[in-house]
Amino acid sequence: AQSVAQPEDQVNVAEGNPLTVKCTYSVSGNPYLFWYVQYPNRGLQFLLKYITGDNLVKGSYGFEAEFNKSQTSFHLKKPSALVSDSALYFCAVSASRGFNKFYFGSGTKLNVKP
Amino acid sequence: GAGVSQSPSNKVTEKGKDVELRCDPISGHTALYWYRQSLGQGLEFLIYFQGNSAPDKSGLPSDRFSAERTGGSVSTLTIQRTQQEDSAVYLCASSLDLYEQYFGPGTRLTVT
Repeated sequence: AQSVAQPEDQVNVAEGNPLTVKCTYSVSGNPYLFWYVQYPNRGLQFLLKYITGDNLVKGSYGFEAEFNKSQTSFHLKKPSALVSDSALYFCAVSASRGFNKFYFGSGTKLNVKP
Repeated sequence: GAGVSQSPSNKVTEKGKDVELRCDPISGHTALYWYRQSLGQGLEFLIYFQGNSAPDKSGLPSDRFSAERTGGSVSTLTIQRTQQEDSAVYLCASSLDLYEQYFGPGTRLTVT
């Protein structure tokens, strides 16, 4: 069965510090992996995706994520956090075979303090 | 251009009533998804439409839930005989390339 785990309900970082939001997945076959962000009172927005190729993918707003097949992880990272990065972050996975259903994690609330 | 729109933005209904939620996807997007987001939970996949293919209904939680997509565009999610556990935010998303999904603002459903 396909699933996504975001082990941290909340991550707190100081502005200017690096941030990591964790995601692990379970999928049959090759995974397609995604990160979405939900700002307060706004819809979910696509950040980045891993389909194939380089394990380090770069996305919007300076975010990047690293696909680690052996650890079945796809952690979201940013070298220097901004207060405006404070939001709810969702990891999602889809199986490359029968690619039509996405499984989302429960979300991680990122708090960046000035 | 216009994004995905959903209506109504909020819906309060009494237990046992039927409700219809509407989604207008981005023009030209062939894929359309419905999700449910409960407080403290992730997004729960409900149903997926792709072009003229038969929809993937495997995520619908019960036979009280149904959805249709007319003319490959507008979609309606119908919940019959609503229950309190149906209270959630219902999100619609559309996609052109099956990778990046564009989400609507959601419909907050409250069943009293």
